[in-house]
Amino acid sequence: DIQMTQSPSSLSASVGDRVTISCRASQSISIYLNWYQQKPGKAPKLLIYAASNLPSGVPSRFSGSGSGTDFTLTISSLQPEDFATYYCQQSYSLPPEITFGQGTRLDIK
Amino acid sequence: QVQLVQSGAEVKKPGSSVKVSCKGSGDSFSKFAITWVRQAPGQGLEWMGGIIPVLSTPTYAHDFQGRVSITADESTSTVYMELSSLRFEDTAVYYCARVTDGERNYWGQGTLVTVSS
Repeated sequence: DIQMTQSPSSLSASVGDRVTISCRASQSISIYLNWYQQKPGKAPKLLIYAASNLPSGVPSRFSGSGSGTDFTLTISSLQPEDFATYYCQQSYSLPPEITFGQGTRLDIK
Repeated sequence: QVQLVQSGAEVKKPGSSVKVSCKGSGDSFSKFAITWVRQAPGQGLEWMGGIIPVLSTPTYAHDFQGRVSITADESTSTVYMELSSLRFEDTAVYYCARVTDGERNYWGQGTLVTVSS
């Protein structure tokens, strides 16, 4: 089974800050990596797919990079609505198997 | 546009079973994997298992082997997840989702299952 490890598990930052969240896979997953944002009481929302692709409607301050085992989600300039929990998810395994990272909670400093 | 609509909230006794449905609409429902993900209060997202409806063979996470059953009814574009031998710690929101098709990423609204005596 592929394990996904995110860091940090929590993070405090201010509006306007640049923030980076990391995700590491236990084996190479090529670029089969999604990032999600989740707010309380809501289903996760796709932010990045295939490691670095932005779905339509997602603000350009969000970006993703990486391949193989190491991936990064960057928010270039935090906005008030960005305070949420972020998850990575691999889809390299044969569908329907997937794995999530444990999440990174982003709080207001 | 794909929509996944789940059945409503449930309250169950410990030791009983719960069956949650996920009805899909939109393109090619049967060809893509539907996964079940749960989220306990204040916790992260946990993959339980999934199925590709046209293949009808489910895959389960190790932690749920023997307690979960996932089935699909292609005629109604519905996937079901049944969890048995419920424990207090199974209290969670259960989501169905289609998350292995790039930008075409869809989630149900979630179903709260509460296990309470």
